[in-house]
Parts: sequence; C-alpha cells; structure tokens
Amino acid sequence: GENVEQHPSTLSVQEGDSAVIKCTYSDSASNYFPWYKQELGKGPQLIIDIRSNVGEKKDQRIAVTLNKTAKHFSLHITETQPEDSAVYFCAATYSGGGADGLTFGKGTHLIIQP
Amino acid sequence: ETGVTQSPTHLIKTRGQQVTLRCSSQSGHNTVSWYQQALGQGPQFIFQYYREEENGRGNFPPRFSGLQFPNYSSELNVNALELDDSALYLCASSAQETQYFGPGTRLLVL
Repeated sequence: GENVEQHPSTLSVQEGDSAVIKCTYSDSASNYFPWYKQELGKGPQLIIDIRSNVGEKKDQRIAVTLNKTAKHFSLHITETQPEDSAVYFCAATYSGGGADGLTFGKGTHLIIQP
Repeated sequence: ETGVTQSPTHLIKTRGQQVTLRCSSQSGHNTVSWYQQALGQGPQFIFQYYREEENGRGNFPPRFSGLQFPNYSSELNVNALELDDSALYLCASSAQETQYFGPGTRLLVL
C-alpha cells in the first residue's frame, strides 16, 4: 500500500517569511495529492491539491509542486501570517480505480512567530 | 465551512461497549469516507461508501462497520470498543476525488 512521509514535523518561521513542507510517497500509481490545514479542535480543511498531470499549482500565497519521477511533492506558503499557524497534512491516493482513500503524512506543526 | 456535519461532537464510552457515529454529507456528494485520527497523527482511512455500498477499506478489523443511506448520510459503528479506539473520527464527503471533511467526533474509551 501507499506510504507517505512528511517533513519537518515542526516548522517555526518569522511572520512574512516563507514556509516549505515536503512529502514523499511510495506508490507510483498515486495520481492525486491534496494538502489539508487542521486547526485545533477542527477537521482538516482542503487548501490546495494537485493531480499528476500537472507539475505546479498556485493559489495566491500557496503553491504546490510535484515531481513524479522522484515521487515527492511540496507545499510552499509565502508571506506567512499569524493565521497560517496550524498543522498541515499532505496526502496521496490513486483516483479512478474504485475507493480512493487518502493516505496521510504525519503532519507538520507550522508556527508563525510575530 | 464544508457543509459536512457530524454528531455527536464528543462521546465517552467504556471498553467493550458499542458506538454509532453519524455523518451528513455535503449536498450533491454521493461518496462518504471515514477516517480515524489518533492524537498527534494523520488521519487513517477506515472505509468508503459509494451509493450505499462499501467500495474500499483500510487496515481496520471487521468490528468497524458502516452504513450509507439513500440521502448519502452515513454511520460508523464500532463494536467491542478497545482503549486504542480513543481518537477523533472524521468523515469526508466527495463527488469526485476531492474530499471535504467534517469537524469530527472525539471518542474517549475508558
């Protein structure tokens, strides 16, 4: 089955700086890679996703890159703000062949220092 | 807000008991997935229901079972509760591959 590794487990950055979170996956059949933000006491909130036919996707301050050959993908947050503080999860799945349960990384606790 | 709701928000049970958790999916979504999230971990896939049929399952024992109803709402049932079942239980609804999560039910087994 799929295995997703996520690094770092904790990331502390100064407000206004950029943050980068990296994930690797094991199953070359995986073709859908979402990122979720989870605040304390809440469910995961989808912030961006990318499919395997695309190498990069951007939405305002958030971008995701995918390297299929190396089987890794990354989340980039620019101009970080205090409200970006949360736990971020990457996930991977094969979409299109029946049940597409997501396999998640262990999460990155992002701390934005004022 | 995703439009996915779950009930109850919190629940305390004792070992050996049974529990039923409920999920209402977002309008227009015919697929519901359930996940277990232990403290400090990422969610783990339990199973997925599509049009009232289970169509995929993660590495969870048969005492975890579910139902999906004609209105696409869903239930997760856990029998013979164990201490390790203490976790946040999340449901996610989807129409295609994008999954939208509810706020979760926090279950504590004593």
